[in-house]
Amino acid sequence: DAKTTQPPSMDCAEGRAANLPCNHSTISGNEYVYWYRQIHSQGPQYIIHGLKNNETNEMASLIITEDRKSSTLILPHATLRDTAVYYCIVRVERYGNKLVFGAGTILRVKS
Amino acid sequence: DTGVSQNPRHKITKRGQNVTFRCDPISEHNRLYWYRQTLGQGPEFLTYFQNEAQLEKSRLLSDRFSAERPKGSFSTLEIQRTEQGDSAMYLCASNGGFGYTFGSGTRLTVV
Repeated sequence: DAKTTQPPSMDCAEGRAANLPCNHSTISGNEYVYWYRQIHSQGPQYIIHGLKNNETNEMASLIITEDRKSSTLILPHATLRDTAVYYCIVRVERYGNKLVFGAGTILRVKS
Repeated sequence: DTGVSQNPRHKITKRGQNVTFRCDPISEHNRLYWYRQTLGQGPEFLTYFQNEAQLEKSRLLSDRFSAERPKGSFSTLEIQRTEQGDSAMYLCASNGGFGYTFGSGTRLTVV
């Protein structure tokens, strides 16, 4: 059911920008892209979401390609506390707008 | 309290016993979702409620599983005759509009 593809793992140096890619080539025109992260033994935490335009909040930036077939989550200055599993999710616009998770990307921030 | 609360946080049960988990969503959220997560996997959708109505159930939700949301407030997830394969983290999320908030989950271990 998952409509996204992410690399299984990535490393990033502390203080550098972390760029997490996601492919969602079958996304429909009205389906939103959401990003969540999960730290061990906790529930997923919301990061950001978008439809067509790039978005930025206090945690991250979301860059969505013009054809909407891929996106990139940017953590501008990664810290050790950003080590987590990051999920790129396409919200299914039916059946209650549920979030369908894939396997995610394990991001390791190293000092 | 503005978060989603789940109880208990941990549950160890013997195979064949029944267990029940509770989720208290954000009060103004009318949609509530249950997910199951096994080690190394992303959360898998189980079921969702719009107010008190259960509107979708995943194929993962066998006959031994039942969920309720009386009066559209808190929700319970019951597993009857537990099996070792039921060992997982059970996550609850609530949604009102674009925001989805997850609880910390209930970790079930069936021995």
